[in-house]
Amino acid sequence: AQSVTQLDSHVSVSEGTPVLLRCNYSSSYSPSLFWYVQHPNKGLQLLLKYTSAATLVKGINGFEAEFKKSETSFHLTKPSAHMSDAAEYFCVVSDTKGGATNKLIFGTGTLLAVQP
Amino acid sequence: EPEVTQTPSHQVTQMGQEVILRCVPISNHLYFYWYRQILGQKVEFLVSFYNNEISEKSEIFDDQFSVERPDGSNFTLKIRSTKLEDSAMYFCASRRTGGHNTEAFFGQGTRLTVV
Repeated sequence: AQSVTQLDSHVSVSEGTPVLLRCNYSSSYSPSLFWYVQHPNKGLQLLLKYTSAATLVKGINGFEAEFKKSETSFHLTKPSAHMSDAAEYFCVVSDTKGGATNKLIFGTGTLLAVQP
Repeated sequence: EPEVTQTPSHQVTQMGQEVILRCVPISNHLYFYWYRQILGQKVEFLVSFYNNEISEKSEIFDDQFSVERPDGSNFTLKIRSTKLEDSAMYFCASRRTGGHNTEAFFGQGTRLTVV
């Protein structure tokens, strides 16, 4: 069965410093992985997705993630944090059972705080 | 940009009452989902819906829950007799296709509080 583990429940960085949000996955198949962000009182917004085309995936707002099969990781990074990046980030794997479902399986989330 | 919309944004209901949460998926999407997030816990899958029928449901989705697509645009989640433990944020999502590499688009959620 597919699963994802987000290693940090809270991360705090200073504005202008790099961001690293860690995610490890478990999958019997070649996974499809996503990062979603949830700002306060907003819905879940897709940041980026990995679907086996390229291991380094660029997303919106300067975020990127690298798929590392040998480490079963899909960490999210950004070179320089902005105050507006403060939000909760979810690493997500798509179930590859097939059929008309392929539900999303969420990690527990990482709350990113950005200090001025 | 097309988006998934959910109403209401907030619903307070008494235990034992029926609630209906409403969603309008993106118009050319064919696959619809409900997820929920209890405060402090992870986002959990409830049910997926395709071709006017449930395609998968989780253990959470018991007989108290039902989904419907009553017309060409709305997708609803009904809880027949709410319990305190149903209090959560409920997210609707839609996907253009059911492929595992297709991203899901989420609504802003409905916060359900059962008192």
